[in-house]
Amino acid sequence: SQQGEEDPQALSIQEGENATMNCSYKTSINNLQWYRQNSGRGLVHLILIRSNEREKHSGRLRVTLDTSKKSSSLLITASRAADTASYFCATVLYGNNRLAFGKGNQVVVIP
Amino acid sequence: DAGITQSPRHKVTETGTPVTLRCHQTENHRYMYWYRQDPGHGLRLIHYSYGVKDTDKGEVSDGYSVSRSKTEDFLLTLESATSSQTSVYFCAISELRENTEAFFGQGTRLTVV
Repeated sequence: SQQGEEDPQALSIQEGENATMNCSYKTSINNLQWYRQNSGRGLVHLILIRSNEREKHSGRLRVTLDTSKKSSSLLITASRAADTASYFCATVLYGNNRLAFGKGNQVVVIP
Repeated sequence: DAGITQSPRHKVTETGTPVTLRCHQTENHRYMYWYRQDPGHGLRLIHYSYGVKDTDKGEVSDGYSVSRSKTEDFLLTLESATSSQTSVYFCAISELRENTEAFFGQGTRLTVV
């Protein structure tokens, strides 16, 4: 079964609004990562949060991790049209370096 | 951008034929991965490698084999292509350290007719 399962949703928001997406996982992890994929392109790493961290920021991105609930959220503040993409969470399990992805969230930012 | 190249970028092949996809890196990263991406399934791990000649299966390894004879190259082979293997294939690389990101290639679109 897949580790890292996003809430399967397609978000359509206006430019300037915030976008939030969630991810859940099943077993203990070493870290959780978020990636972005523009249409027809490879994935690009956005942010990594370790299992002993609860919140992390990078520019307009804010990631939270709740290991008790085995869930994470990605918040994109003040969205831009260029943020239109699919967003994936991925988990790395303890003891190995396998990177397991969820199904992704599609975000459309309307100018 | 990390130095990772996939070839070919596009391929159309017939059912039953063998197909090899190549992933080449210039970063000297220890770990290399092959994923397939299909609508509704996200990215699913096919095989991965943790060193030269060291490989392991992922969640959807049936019908695929891999080889890694050099640090820089990771080959994915479809022994006898089937229509269900029509997909977009991505290669990724990462370093040994656990808390590190992965870098992705641009993908190979494979169509089996």
